[in-house]
Amino acid sequence: AQTVTQSQPEMSVQEAETVTLSCTYDTSESDYYLFWYKQPPSRQMILVIRQEAYKQQNATENRFSVNFQKAAKSFSLKISDSQLGDAAMYFCAYRSDSNYQLIWGAGTKLIIKP
Amino acid sequence: EAQVTQNPRYLITVTGKKLTVTCSQNMNHEYMSWYRQDPGLGLRQIYYSMNVEVTDKGDVPEGYKVSRKEKRNFPLILESPSPNQTSLYFCASSWTGLTFEQYFGPGTRLTVT
Repeated sequence: AQTVTQSQPEMSVQEAETVTLSCTYDTSESDYYLFWYKQPPSRQMILVIRQEAYKQQNATENRFSVNFQKAAKSFSLKISDSQLGDAAMYFCAYRSDSNYQLIWGAGTKLIIKP
Repeated sequence: EAQVTQNPRYLITVTGKKLTVTCSQNMNHEYMSWYRQDPGLGLRQIYYSMNVEVTDKGDVPEGYKVSRKEKRNFPLILESPSPNQTSLYFCASSWTGLTFEQYFGPGTRLTVT
């Protein structure tokens, strides 16, 4: 069975600096999708970024980028120029190419220090 | 506005009193799913539905029921709630296909005493 591990329960960063959140996963499949979701205090789940496993190029969305290492089964999220509004829980999630179920990590709480 | 709605947003109930959490989406999505979120565990899938009248168990289905009689609605039913079902519940929906993004409802905070 696939698993997703986020080893950092909590991270903090100074406003305007860069922070990297870690995620590792375990799968025997070759085709899959990886996601980072943000959950602010409002509890709403917001998709931050998505990576298709068949794409070698790392996905980027404005200040958010990923470092996807397929062989190492690693999918980290880098947030540049951190802003107070980035404070939230961040979840890493995996989906295989043959199943619509999302497998989730336990989450990382990101604190932004002003 | 494209959205997934859930009701109620907050619910406090007692053990054994049947309850239903409604979920509705206005995007004509085929796929719908229920998750529960518990601290330190992330989200875990309870049930999902690939289309009308097609439902299947997720990872933690015990104590829950669902139905999918209409494409837009996917209610979650707790026939006899117990305190271990105290959790934050999310409904999500998406189109089927390789381009996949799940749209989430706002969540329902359920407390069973």
